[in-house]
Formats: sequence, structure tokens, C-alpha cells
Amino acid sequence: GQQLNQSPQSMFIQEGEDVSMNCTSSSIFNTWLWYKQDPGEGPVLLIALYKAGELTSNGRLTAQFGITRKDSFLNISASIPSDVGIYFCAGREDNNNDMRFGAGTRLTVKP
Amino acid sequence: EPEVTQTPSHQVTQMGQEVILRCVPISNHLYFYWYRQILGQKVEFLVSFYNNEISEKSEIFDDQFSVERPDGSNFTLKIRSTKLEDSAMYFCASRDRGYTEAFFGQGTRLTVV
Repeated sequence: GQQLNQSPQSMFIQEGEDVSMNCTSSSIFNTWLWYKQDPGEGPVLLIALYKAGELTSNGRLTAQFGITRKDSFLNISASIPSDVGIYFCAGREDNNNDMRFGAGTRLTVKP
Repeated sequence: EPEVTQTPSHQVTQMGQEVILRCVPISNHLYFYWYRQILGQKVEFLVSFYNNEISEKSEIFDDQFSVERPDGSNFTLKIRSTKLEDSAMYFCASRDRGYTEAFFGQGTRLTVV
């Protein structure tokens, strides 16, 4: 089955710093999604990517769909305290209805 | 803005009891999902549902689990005989056709005692 490896597992950064996290898969995906989860809440979609090589921004967030279709990264620029949370990548294969999640990156931002 | 709603927000049940978790997906969405998240761990796929039948399920989704779309709006997850290890957050999600993203509900925290 699909294997999604997300790294790093956790990050402790200073407010204002940039952050980068990534996901790799053992198979080819047609969709990469990045979600953020706050404590006690459901995952909220940040960015959706549908094409190899696609680079998409959402405010201070930028994500890319790798050209091999087996990886994606998420960058957060100039982090702020409300960026704290768990970030999950998720992906879907061709002809596959389910969506698999990475293990998450727990981000802590120190003021 | 349309959203996925789940009830109850928290359910406590005795081991061996049956529970039903309820979800109202976004209207006009066609694909429905259940995921679970054991405290502090990653989100795990349980099952997807399309065209009134299960389209995929994971190894977690054994005979103790079932899903139903009893009417045009609700989507339920039933656990027949709960075990302690079923304690987790259960998330419902839905999406439209095509390569579209899934939207999640706020989750139901299930505690089996």
C-alpha cells in the first residue's frame, strides 16, 4: 500500500523564521494536499496540488508538487505564533479513492 | 461557508457496546470518508464511500465497522462491539467529483471505558 514519509516529525523555531517540511511517497500520486490541525479540531486544508511541478502559494505558505509525483514540500515564511499546530501532508494515487496521510510535523513557534 | 458537521462531539461508551457516529457531509458532495486519529498520532484512513457503497477500506476497517448513508444527508459509522483500542478521534470528510480536496468535520472523540 501507499507509504507516506513526512519529515521532520517536529520543529521548534523562533518567530520570524522560515519553515520547510516535506513528504515522500512510495508510489506516484495525482494529488498532494497539505492540512493543518489545531488541538481538538479537524484538519483544515491549506493548499491543494494537482499537477507535477505545480507551485502554489497561500499567503505565507508555498507548496510544490514534485516532478517525480512522489514528493511534495510545504514552506512557511516569516512564522508567527498562530502557525503552531500539526501539519499533515496527504496524497491520492491515480484510480484510488482513498487519501493517505503522513505522520505529521508538529510545529512550535517561540515568540 | 458549507461545512461537514459531526455529532456527537464526544462519546463515552462501555467496552462491548455499539456506537454510531454521525456525519452530515457538505451538500452535493459525492465522496465520503471516515478517518480516525489516536491521540497524538497521525490521521488514518478507514473507509471511503461513493454511489451508495464502500469503494475502499483499510485493514483497520474490519467486521466490527460498518457505514451507512441512510438518507440523502447523513453518513454514519457504526462500531458493533467497541474495544478499548477504538478510543480515538473519528473524522468524517467529504469531497466533490474529480481531483478535489476533502473537507473535514470537527471530529467525534470516542472514549471506550
